[in-house]
Amino acid sequence: DTAVSQTPKYLVTQMGNDKSIKCEQNLGHDTMYWYKQDSKKFLKIMFSYNNKELIINETVPNRFSPKSPDKAHLNLHINSLELGDSAVYFCASSLPGTGYTGELFFGEGSRLTVL
Amino acid sequence: GESVGLHLPTLSVQEGDNSIINCAYSNSASDYFIWYKQESGKGPQFIIDIRSNMDKRQGQRVTVLLNKTVKHLSLQIAATQPGDSAVYFCAEFVPSYGKLTFGQGTILTVHP
Repeated sequence: DTAVSQTPKYLVTQMGNDKSIKCEQNLGHDTMYWYKQDSKKFLKIMFSYNNKELIINETVPNRFSPKSPDKAHLNLHINSLELGDSAVYFCASSLPGTGYTGELFFGEGSRLTVL
Repeated sequence: GESVGLHLPTLSVQEGDNSIINCAYSNSASDYFIWYKQESGKGPQFIIDIRSNMDKRQGQRVTVLLNKTVKHLSLQIAATQPGDSAVYFCAEFVPSYGKLTFGQGTILTVHP
């Protein structure tokens, strides 16, 4: 059974379009994240939700809007896509808490290519 | 050997050798340090963590060393295998930030 699953795995789209990436975890975790990995493999946190509540919101353009319908799901919607949005987006989950809670469990990533 | 430049640092070793991957961290307030392994086409996977009040921790074939004086973290992999080939990331957790911050990765290539 996949612990953290993301869809789609690949997404190719034109500039200006709106797209969504979905994430689901079956680990029973309360905390979920979105990370962006650029072409140099640099991983940067974008958002974190704890039990559907936004707790971390990094300096991310407001074209990016996360939505957590329940604690097992965290989706990422991106409006007006730009070339610089091309990256691999990773969803992750962990045990709840604002302190260190141990390992993050990552999904396999969604590779977004904006043409 | 190891090289650092405009691209990701790389480390090439022969199967069976021991590997040492280094990481310099930035925040002296970090209280946990973690190593992740990312294989091609997959998400990062937790390897081992160490709390800031420790200087060494061992796992299965891996050892993490922490030197807070020089803000340096290393991951030692014993008897490296081709399956260890991946990008390795160090990460630090700063309580006041409440999040994990990842460092630059290192590409490990193990030659049979």
